[in-house]
Amino acid sequence: GAVVSQHPSWVICKSGTSVKIECRSLDFQATTMFWYRQFPKQSLMLMATSNEGSKATYEQGVEKDKFLINHASLTLSTLTVTSAHPEDSSFYICSARDGRLAAETQYFGPGTRLLVL
Amino acid sequence: DQQVKQNSPSLSVQEGRISILNCDYTNSMFDYFLWYKKYPAEGPTFLISISSIKDKNEDGRFTVFLNKSAKHLSLHIVPSQPGDSAVYFCAALGSGGSNYKLTFGKGTLLTVNP
Repeated sequence: GAVVSQHPSWVICKSGTSVKIECRSLDFQATTMFWYRQFPKQSLMLMATSNEGSKATYEQGVEKDKFLINHASLTLSTLTVTSAHPEDSSFYICSARDGRLAAETQYFGPGTRLLVL
Repeated sequence: DQQVKQNSPSLSVQEGRISILNCDYTNSMFDYFLWYKKYPAEGPTFLISISSIKDKNEDGRFTVFLNKSAKHLSLHIVPSQPGDSAVYFCAALGSGGSNYKLTFGKGTLLTVNP
């Protein structure tokens, strides 16, 4: 099946710094990418939807100025957590949709664990 | 307001027996329902899906049943194997629009005992 990678897989940073997470589709062009956040023992919560070449659509309650999303190409989307604080510590997962396939086909990345000290 | 609910946080079964994972939803406009398997610190892996116009889909040991009138779906795994031990997420795909958003339940931790 299709592969989606995320980098880095683990990041530890000091409070106040910014962290960039990359999501790449390795063998297909992703017309749409999604960013999720998962807290321990909780569900995956959709943060935003990004379409290549356009602005991301954020879910209610997600600060777009804090979580900057760039989908500059059909194979790469980035999530930047700006001025990270300890409460931003979470597991961030991206998924990518291959526009050639059925609507329900989304491929998930392995996730990025963020720890803000 | 949770649109997709998995009311059992955990389930334990013996190897070889059937595992039944349940999911309820509130939005009758969902087009597709999907089941994902997830290990700790990894992304979800797609297992099986079902269209809202069907009531059953089978793939090997995995079968998903959909009861639209009850807004309920279930995943049956038979026979269960120790390697099936993971968190299983039920997800629903919204209808219309161009974003194809998935709404996830909270997950059920399945433990298959040897």
